[in-house]
Amino acid sequence: EPEVTQTPSHQVTQMGQEVILRCVPISNHLYFYWYRQILGQKVEFLVSFYNNEISEKSEIFDDQFSVERPDGSNFTLKIRSTKLEDSAMYFCASRTGNNSPLHFGNGTRLTVT
Amino acid sequence: ELKVEQNPLFLSMQEGKNYTIYCNYSTTSDRLYWYRQDPGKSLESLFVLLSNGAVKQEGRLMASLDTKARLSTLHITAAVHDLSATYFCAGMEYGNKLVFGAGTILRVKS
Repeated sequence: EPEVTQTPSHQVTQMGQEVILRCVPISNHLYFYWYRQILGQKVEFLVSFYNNEISEKSEIFDDQFSVERPDGSNFTLKIRSTKLEDSAMYFCASRTGNNSPLHFGNGTRLTVT
Repeated sequence: ELKVEQNPLFLSMQEGKNYTIYCNYSTTSDRLYWYRQDPGKSLESLFVLLSNGAVKQEGRLMASLDTKARLSTLHITAAVHDLSATYFCAGMEYGNKLVFGAGTILRVKS
């Protein structure tokens, strides 16, 4: 069964550094998302992406965050200058259409020291 | 803005017992989703409920949706240890944003 793949599985970075989290959504999916979850707590929406542009973003998704779909298969989340509070599990998700569920990747655990 | 509330947040059950997790949401949401998460793992889709009165069942889990009451339930029948996980409900806010509840941690004791 096709799945959403994320790399790396774990990323450790120093405060102030830039990180790029990578995702390969399922190939025929049209909607793409990033969520984050801090230590098993609530799953927080960051951004949704459709038709090569951001369709929704949360208050968390400030100017330090950006997303890109550079080549039609990868979907990346960049954090320009990481803060300690950015430490979390970041999940990428994708879906085919309005009535389908989001399929989540296995996540990237980001640790900012 | 859509708010999704689950209760209880923690549920400890004996094997073989039945219980229900409740999910209330604040504004109109025409789609309601249930997910399961095992510790340290990803979110697995369980059910998609698309209309008022929708009922879906998979094994010992049954989900329902009442859009008039803005309520979804996840009913667990004759719980087994393998059902221990965190269960999330989520509503689709107008547009393209899935909003999650806080999750219900389920522990099934043998």
